[in-house]
Amino acid sequence: EPEVTQTPSHQVTQMGQEVILRCVPISNHLYFYWYRQILGQKVEFLVSFYNNEISEKSEIFDDQFSVERPDGSNFTLKIRSTKLEDSAMYFCASSEFSSGRDTQYFGPGTRLTVL
Amino acid sequence: AQRVTQPEKLLSVFKGAPVELKCNYSYSGSPELFWYVQYSRQRLQLLLRHISRESIKGFTADLNKGETSFHLKKPFAQEEDSAMYYCALKMTGNQFYFGTGTSLTVIP
Repeated sequence: EPEVTQTPSHQVTQMGQEVILRCVPISNHLYFYWYRQILGQKVEFLVSFYNNEISEKSEIFDDQFSVERPDGSNFTLKIRSTKLEDSAMYFCASSEFSSGRDTQYFGPGTRLTVL
Repeated sequence: AQRVTQPEKLLSVFKGAPVELKCNYSYSGSPELFWYVQYSRQRLQLLLRHISRESIKGFTADLNKGETSFHLKKPFAQEEDSAMYYCALKMTGNQFYFGTGTSLTVIP
């Protein structure tokens, strides 16, 4: 069964550094998402992406965040200047259709630790 | 504003006992509600959604708009049901709001 993959599984970075988290959505999916989960807290929506542009974003997704689909397979989340509070598990998800009608398939997550 | 509330962080039941995981939501429009499950060392996956009115792995959930609830129920819990369960609300657009999750432990 096809799966969403994410790399790396764990990323450690220094505060102020830029990080890029990578995701490979399921190949025929058209909608892509990023979520984050700070340790012990709930899963929070960051952004959804469709047709090469952001379709929706939460208040968390400020100017230090950006997303990109640089080629036909990858979907990336960039954090420009990391802060301590960016430490969290970041999940990528994809769906074939708009999420209300279809299942979102989640990746295994990337644990980001900002020192 | 807390849009999805799961009041129990931890829930333990004995194998074969009924289980109910509570979820309440806050939304004045037409909600779409989902339950996601995360088994140990596995990824988050959709368990069921209210529009499908389905039963998955013996679990059901009924949307009660009067009580703004979407509780997850199973009449006879199994050990393999032990997992983290998240209730999620989708409002207009593609934005999901997740609850804080309930960790279910089924005691053999």
